[in-house]
Amino acid sequence: DTAVSQTPKYLVTQMGNDKSIKCEQNLGHDTMYWYKQDSKKFLKIMFSYNNKELIINETVPNRFSPKSPDKAHLNLHINSLELGDSAVYFCASSQYTGTANYGYTFGSGTRLTVV
Amino acid sequence: GENVEQHPSTLSVQEGDSAVIKCTYSDSASNYFPWYKQELGKGPQLIIDIRSNVGEKKDQRIAVTLNKTAKHFSLHITETQPEDSAVYFCAASAASGGSYIPTFGRGTSLIVHP
Repeated sequence: DTAVSQTPKYLVTQMGNDKSIKCEQNLGHDTMYWYKQDSKKFLKIMFSYNNKELIINETVPNRFSPKSPDKAHLNLHINSLELGDSAVYFCASSQYTGTANYGYTFGSGTRLTVV
Repeated sequence: GENVEQHPSTLSVQEGDSAVIKCTYSDSASNYFPWYKQELGKGPQLIIDIRSNVGEKKDQRIAVTLNKTAKHFSLHITETQPEDSAVYFCAASAASGGSYIPTFGRGTSLIVHP
């Protein structure tokens, strides 16, 4: 199946731990993203990775670090987890040609709960 | 940067009625406007999009209209069904001259009562 797949779907961990969320897309898209969705459903961009260019949202704490080994993967590593990091994290991908935008394909989300 | 306002935040309709969700944007460079539907426990899914060179687009029971002058665009769902119940997000982005990363509205929770 062509899709954006992210793992794990649920992640429960203690404060202070380090965790990673993996994302893979097989759509051939050249741009991948990480979004955070809070309890009020607001979708907030965290990172965008387009053709080896990483665009960082300045409001994201540096405890969050994206890692992209290739165009099809964009993983999210989080250090020293805090209670406020609890949210649903979505990976997405799209095609961006420089002259036209296209819609996103989202993964199914990772619900992170920090206790 | 771009600012997208979405209204209403909650919309409750009876099955068979029409539903309209409205968004406004601020950046005149924005030229791509997608709409996403997010069902409970799932990721948002693209349902329809419109580019700035057209004023209206339809796909079965859903349609989107765009007024570039007024900088607003709307989602219209006709003959609503219970399975239309979800959170809907509008977004705006620019291919060039602005940010290609879409700015999302804050979402509209649509409830369709049988």
